[in-house]
Amino acid sequence: EADIYQTPRYLVIGTGKKITLECSQTMGHDKMYWYQQDPGMELHLIHYSYGVNSTEKGDLSSESTVSRIRTEHFPLTLESARPSHTSQYLCASSAGQGHTEAFFGQGTRLTVV
Amino acid sequence: GEDVEQSLFLSVREGDSSVINCTYTDSSSTYLYWYKQEPGAGLQLLTYIFSNMDMKQDQRLTVLLNKKDKHLSLRIADTQTGDSAIYFCAESPYSGAGSYQLTFGKGTKLSVIP
Repeated sequence: EADIYQTPRYLVIGTGKKITLECSQTMGHDKMYWYQQDPGMELHLIHYSYGVNSTEKGDLSSESTVSRIRTEHFPLTLESARPSHTSQYLCASSAGQGHTEAFFGQGTRLTVV
Repeated sequence: GEDVEQSLFLSVREGDSSVINCTYTDSSSTYLYWYKQEPGAGLQLLTYIFSNMDMKQDQRLTVLLNKKDKHLSLRIADTQTGDSAIYFCAESPYSGAGSYQLTFGKGTKLSVIP
């Protein structure tokens, strides 16, 4: 069983609010990722980190920001939520080198009204 | 560039075999993966195959790899209603500094008809 947790599972919030989606893992993984998942299923990598104080933007441009102050924690922040941010957000982690099995959290379903 | 292609939908009857196909582009991928996503959940690794293998079998699951054609398939024998989910194919192209980064396909939604 994967030890990676996302909170909240569901969030409905008004336009313009600041939100932070939490992601924590207890596996000591160096690599962590945030994916945005369309209603049509496709996964888009929006942010990743290869270790503490390392963050990179992914393939899909996103208005969100991330931080990696501790190995186990990789929060994602939206300064001003908009309806276009409505989506499922999935956090993942992996050990990195070689066999890159990724472990996923349960996801946060965000709805901005 | 990296691109992983899969058909979007597959419908089978309970008890039949399901075959989900995938093509990938990056020959540097050392491992190729199948992930399963059940409704309302994150992705879970189902199985993987090392790039120097042609086939891997694990209970009801059989993975076939044609490295020449960059084609990967997942066969589920005796498909059950509990197998209804979205299945993602993923490759792991080399991304530099000794690291490999997962690239996912768009997912195949498997529907099992009782």
